[in-house]
Amino acid sequence: QVQLQQWGAGLLKPSETLSLTCAVYGRSHSGYYWSWIRQPPGKGLEWIGEINQSGSTNYNPSLKSRVTISVDTSKKQFSLRLNSVTAADTAVYYCARNGDVGGFDIWGQGTMVTISS
Amino acid sequence: DIQMTQSPSSLSASVGDRVTITCRASQSISTDLSWYQQKPGKAPKILIYAASRLQSGVPSRFSGSGSETDFTLTVSSLQPEDFATYYCQQSYSIPRSFGQGTKLEIK
Repeated sequence: QVQLQQWGAGLLKPSETLSLTCAVYGRSHSGYYWSWIRQPPGKGLEWIGEINQSGSTNYNPSLKSRVTISVDTSKKQFSLRLNSVTAADTAVYYCARNGDVGGFDIWGQGTMVTISS
Repeated sequence: DIQMTQSPSSLSASVGDRVTITCRASQSISTDLSWYQQKPGKAPKILIYAASRLQSGVPSRFSGSGSETDFTLTVSSLQPEDFATYYCQQSYSIPRSFGQGTKLEIK
């Protein structure tokens, strides 16, 4: 059974870089895409971007200029970097697996990231 | 970008009721539509994928239907644990996008 565990800094100042990592535990073949999704407090879900094992990425155009998603296949981890953060980036950030027939079928536990001076 | 619009935004119902939530896409997405349930402080949980296919382990009182632009999630007989927020999401194109959510509350 595949599980995702994520971690990263929970408090940042404006203009800093958000950095989160998600580890994949259990057997998961190489054909999946892996996504980052965020949810501001009390609001809905926003897809940030995705990556596959080969490093091929897709990003949300609304964040593309500030986002980098990378993968370390040897460690079975993928990471999110979001630079020049502002208070508007305050959210719970989730990593998730893109299911092979659509949807996000496995999720990390979420990381609350607060941007405050 | 494809916009996903859910209705209603909130819904009050009683245990045992049958409820339906609607999701409309701004353009055709075939059946590339999933539904999620989210409880406070928890990650979303997938219920339905490919518009009508029940995720393994999800109770059969949940069902989905629709294609192209119009989709529905139905709960045939509400149970206490079903009171939560529900989201639809399209996987047809980039960027992936979610509806704004429907909060299902106890009447």
